[in-house]
Amino acid sequence: DQQVKQNSPSLSVQEGRISILNCDYTNSMFDYFLWYKKYPAEGPTFLISISSIKDKNEDGRFTVFLNKSAKHLSLHIVPSQPGDSAVYFCAATRTGTASKLTFGTGTRLQVTL
Amino acid sequence: GAVVSQHPSWVICKSGTSVKIECRSLDFQATTMFWYRQFPKQSLMLMATSNEGSKATYEQGVEKDKFLINHASLTLSTLTVTSAHPEDSSFYICSAQEGVVTDTQYFGPGTRLTVL
Repeated sequence: DQQVKQNSPSLSVQEGRISILNCDYTNSMFDYFLWYKKYPAEGPTFLISISSIKDKNEDGRFTVFLNKSAKHLSLHIVPSQPGDSAVYFCAATRTGTASKLTFGTGTRLQVTL
Repeated sequence: GAVVSQHPSWVICKSGTSVKIECRSLDFQATTMFWYRQFPKQSLMLMATSNEGSKATYEQGVEKDKFLINHASLTLSTLTVTSAHPEDSSFYICSAQEGVVTDTQYFGPGTRLTVL
C-alpha cells in the first residue's frame, strides 16, 4: 500500500526553466511534508518542508505547494540548474509519530543545457 | 548543516555471516535515529526507529532478531544484519534527528550491502 506516490518516474527540463515535481498522498492523517534530493549512492538531502497549516512555503529557488483537499503537493524549482539533476523524493509524516517518514518512489529530474 | 556518517560505505559478505553498519551524528546529538533500506528503483522503506538508551521500534514485517539495532550513545547507532542472505542485499541508510517530532532528519550516505 503506497501511501505516498510520485507518478512521474522521470522529468527532463531545460536549464533556466521551471521544474515541477508532483506528489500525491492517500493518508489524511499526514500533516507534515518534506522534499528530499538524492544523488546515486548517497543519502537524501533535505530541501524544504511544509506543514498542513500552510499551502505554500518558499526557500530561494524552491517552493512547495500543498493542496490538502486534493491530497497533493508539488515542488517548483525555478530557475532549474544542471546541478539540480538528481532523484527527488517527497515524504510525509504525522506529527506525534516520532517523525516516521513515509517516502514516495521518487522522480528523477534531468536538467539539460 | 548537520553531518551524519555511515561506515562502511559498502560491504560484500558471504551468506550466513553477520554484518555491522555504524551510523554517527558528527556535529550534533541525535535523540532519535532511523534505519531505512532501499531496493533498486524503489522508495526508502523505514525499518526501525531507535532512541538512545532504549530498545528500537521495528516496523511491521521487519524481523528484529535479524536486524539488531543498538543506539548506545547520542551520536552512534549500529545496525547488525545477522545471518545475512542474498535477499538482504540492499542499500541501507540511516538518519538522525536532534530534537523531537518533525525536526529535520539528516541522512547518512548509505551502505551498500551485497550478500553472496
